[in-house]
Amino acid sequence: GAVVSQHPSWVICKSGTSVKIECRSLDFQATTMFWYRQFPKQSLMLMATSNEGSKATYEQGVEKDKFLINHASLTLSTLTVTSAHPEDSSFYICSASIPLGAVLITDTQYFGPGTRLTVL
Amino acid sequence: DQQVKQNSPSLSVQEGRISILNCDYTNSMFDYFLWYKKYPAEGPTFLISISSIKDKNEDGRFTVFLNKSAKHLSLHIVPSQPGDSAVYFCAASASSTLGRLYFGRGTQLTVWP
Repeated sequence: GAVVSQHPSWVICKSGTSVKIECRSLDFQATTMFWYRQFPKQSLMLMATSNEGSKATYEQGVEKDKFLINHASLTLSTLTVTSAHPEDSSFYICSASIPLGAVLITDTQYFGPGTRLTVL
Repeated sequence: DQQVKQNSPSLSVQEGRISILNCDYTNSMFDYFLWYKKYPAEGPTFLISISSIKDKNEDGRFTVFLNKSAKHLSLHIVPSQPGDSAVYFCAASASSTLGRLYFGRGTQLTVWP
């Protein structure tokens, strides 16, 4: 159980275009999903926390207008990188926490396989 | 400000021996700690966790120890296997932040035959 998928696994795009990355919880409902970014040989950097049916909470320094997050259902969250530039090239990873009823009692996050974005 | 620190970027261990990965934290509000394993170009895989009410949790070859007074935790892998070679991330969370994880920079473990 606790499988999280991401699509696409990799994407190459031209500078100025927008790219959408999907994150799905396959066998559970995730009221909360997280989006991370990882640069080579660096730690995972939390970008935003996505709650179903409400606006995402962005970490300091993350541009909410550039990284649009939508959590339209309990199993799907999307991250759209708008007007992508080469400096946005990175490995983007989503995760989801498993809630128990209406209360999030575990902080164990299950991660998707990641999406490698390359902006030319 | 790095609230979770893994001061050893790499560790090399012979197969069959014990691997000990260390992690320190600064925030006394942290009450839940996790270890993740990550291969290149893949998402992290949850390994083991420990609540602050415990000082040890064991799952097969993996044991996590927590020393709250020292704000230190460690992951022991015994016996180490070549397939354990990966980057190991330590993470921590606080009840007050509802699921937000703070990660260390990771330790590259290499297990050689």
